[in-house]
Amino acid sequence: DSGVTQTPKHLITATGQRVTLRCSPRSGDLSVYWYQQSLDQGLQFLIQYYNGEERAKGNILERFSAQQFPDLHSELNLSSLELGDSALYFCASSAQATNEKLFFGSGTQLSVL
Amino acid sequence: AQSVTQLDSQVPVFEEAPVELRCNYSSSVSVYLFWYVQYPNQGLQLLLKYLSGSTLVKGINGFEAEFNKSQTSFHLRKPSVHISDTAEYFCAVSLANAGGTSYGKLTFGQGTILTVHP
Repeated sequence: DSGVTQTPKHLITATGQRVTLRCSPRSGDLSVYWYQQSLDQGLQFLIQYYNGEERAKGNILERFSAQQFPDLHSELNLSSLELGDSALYFCASSAQATNEKLFFGSGTQLSVL
Repeated sequence: AQSVTQLDSQVPVFEEAPVELRCNYSSSVSVYLFWYVQYPNQGLQLLLKYLSGSTLVKGINGFEAEFNKSQTSFHLRKPSVHISDTAEYFCAVSLANAGGTSYGKLTFGQGTILTVHP
């Protein structure tokens, strides 16, 4: 158990809908990262938050947004969902802003039908 | 921009045999290198990392990797595998920071599925 909690584990929704994925980092970790894993694109970095502030941005679509709250949990919001958004979304955390050791959650499997 | 190529998508091997999972990277600047393992239905777990110093890096579960700058490679090895090593292995790269630390985006390879047969 990495100590990173992601909810829900599975999410099935329809095209055009909006969903929110939630991540609780390991106790004491200040950074949260979001990654998308799909068969065709592999593991893609979306975004990093450090202590509530956006720290680094990757291949995140404009339809997607994220935030990190004062209690350090993070939410990834996906809107106007398309079939191609179906993927496994991972959250990871690290103690500080560096990415030298990430602890990954078990992921949220999103299926857009 | 940096990129990572894992040369084998699947590697079957018998128990107690040695294994090498190959990883090559491309970058115009200095990088840090990582290997992560993903067991079925779990998140990724750090196996080992190269930030600086000795080019031979030892990690958890008996794995080691060697950083070869001239060949831009970071191959993962284990002298004797177990059934429990069956998993998907990911090589990753991060741009080196001037201050000697690694920040931000990790770029992952496509993964290598290691299957250990009895």
